[in-house]
Amino acid sequence: SQQGEEDPQALSIQEGENATMNCSYKTSINNLQWYRQNSGRGLVHLILIRSNEREKHSGRLRVTLDTSKKSSSLLITASRAADTASYFCATTPNTDKLIFGTGTRLQVFP
Amino acid sequence: NAGVMQNPRHLVRRRGQEARLRCSPMKGHSHVYWYRQLPEEGLKFMVYLQKENIIDESGMPKERFSAEFPKEGPSILRIQQVVRGDSAAYFCASSPLLTGNTGELFFGEGSRLTVL
Repeated sequence: SQQGEEDPQALSIQEGENATMNCSYKTSINNLQWYRQNSGRGLVHLILIRSNEREKHSGRLRVTLDTSKKSSSLLITASRAADTASYFCATTPNTDKLIFGTGTRLQVFP
Repeated sequence: NAGVMQNPRHLVRRRGQEARLRCSPMKGHSHVYWYRQLPEEGLKFMVYLQKENIIDESGMPKERFSAEFPKEGPSILRIQQVVRGDSAAYFCASSPLLTGNTGELFFGEGSRLTVL
């Protein structure tokens, strides 16, 4: 069964705007990760945030985690056309396997 | 250092045939995961293997599907008597340690199976 649900399912913005994607999950977790998938390609790891962390930054990416609400958000600042991809959150719900959400399809128009 | 290698990238089979998908993990990685992705959907966990051991196959259909990761050679995902519903992209990922400890998985480019 799916552990994570991303919101929105699809997002279209102009270059330079910020993109915010949200992820909700169901059970307690060890950590939460965000991955990116370009069309027809494999997934690429973006960032990992542990359950005892609240916020993390990596370049233009900012991730927050609220374990009380079982939710996370991924913010991409100053988006570029090259950011066009699907973005997935993934969690390890006290097991050794990574469970992925349903994804947000981001389209950035030049 | 080569990444996770999957082959074939594309595979076409007729209903009832067998499909074999291969995955060579990154050098030094001893944990392999297989996921299935339908068009416009997320990845569904299928199976987690270590060398010569299946650790978790809770996401794999009980019939027609099997997976192995032998001491030597790549991990193999085998689908017998394929049906049209098996058409999907199958992704392999590897990690050096348990995901609960290190987190990050390294993915291959996937094998896209089309069943006619």
